[in-house]
Amino acid sequence: NAGVMQNPRHLVRRRGQEARLRCSPMKGHSHVYWYRQLPEEGLKFMVYLQKENIIDESGMPKERFSAEFPKEGPSILRIQQVVRGDSAAYFCASSPRQGQGNQPQHFGDGTRLSIL
Amino acid sequence: DAKTTQPNSMESNEEEPVHLPCNHSTISGTDYIHWYRQLPSQGPEYVIHGLTSNVNNRMASLAIAEDRKSSTLILHRATLRDAAVYYCILFDNAGNMLTFGGGTRLMVKP
Repeated sequence: NAGVMQNPRHLVRRRGQEARLRCSPMKGHSHVYWYRQLPEEGLKFMVYLQKENIIDESGMPKERFSAEFPKEGPSILRIQQVVRGDSAAYFCASSPRQGQGNQPQHFGDGTRLSIL
Repeated sequence: DAKTTQPNSMESNEEEPVHLPCNHSTISGTDYIHWYRQLPSQGPEYVIHGLTSNVNNRMASLAIAEDRKSSTLILHRATLRDAAVYYCILFDNAGNMLTFGGGTRLMVKP
């Protein structure tokens, strides 16, 4: 199954630590999206990346959060100095071509981040 | 800002059709209507999408109102595996997700 792969599935961190979430898009997809979902709520867009470029980071907090999608390897969402409010499920999605409303996004199963 | 409105929950009997409504009265002319569903502890799964015309695929049908201010996802014969939260989402022409509301929790009774 060459779907979107996210790891780890579950991540526990203490306040002040760093969290790194990884996402490998579907084979042949070069566009990656990150979303955050709080319990019983919908997804909130965070950032849209192509290989080596951040296209839209309008949904990402200005501090402590960063994302990258290097030429080789998975996309990384990094949260520095985590706080309790960062506890959520983080989903990655990929699509094959430059952002088009006519293209479905394919989602991974998410990383559940818990902050102690 | 674009917005979608869906009922919080719906119930259906197994083997019966289900019609899941969505209102999107602020939709723009080039916005696409997508439907995804999400099972507990899983990522959203694409179901179907359309722009103006009704659409059919192996999973469901999508009926879009003539004025595009509402749409209905149709599951022709609900199964227990269709129990999930169904999200109606608008994407603009550039692929940006405009809305992702609370969705409709579909419960299927045997």
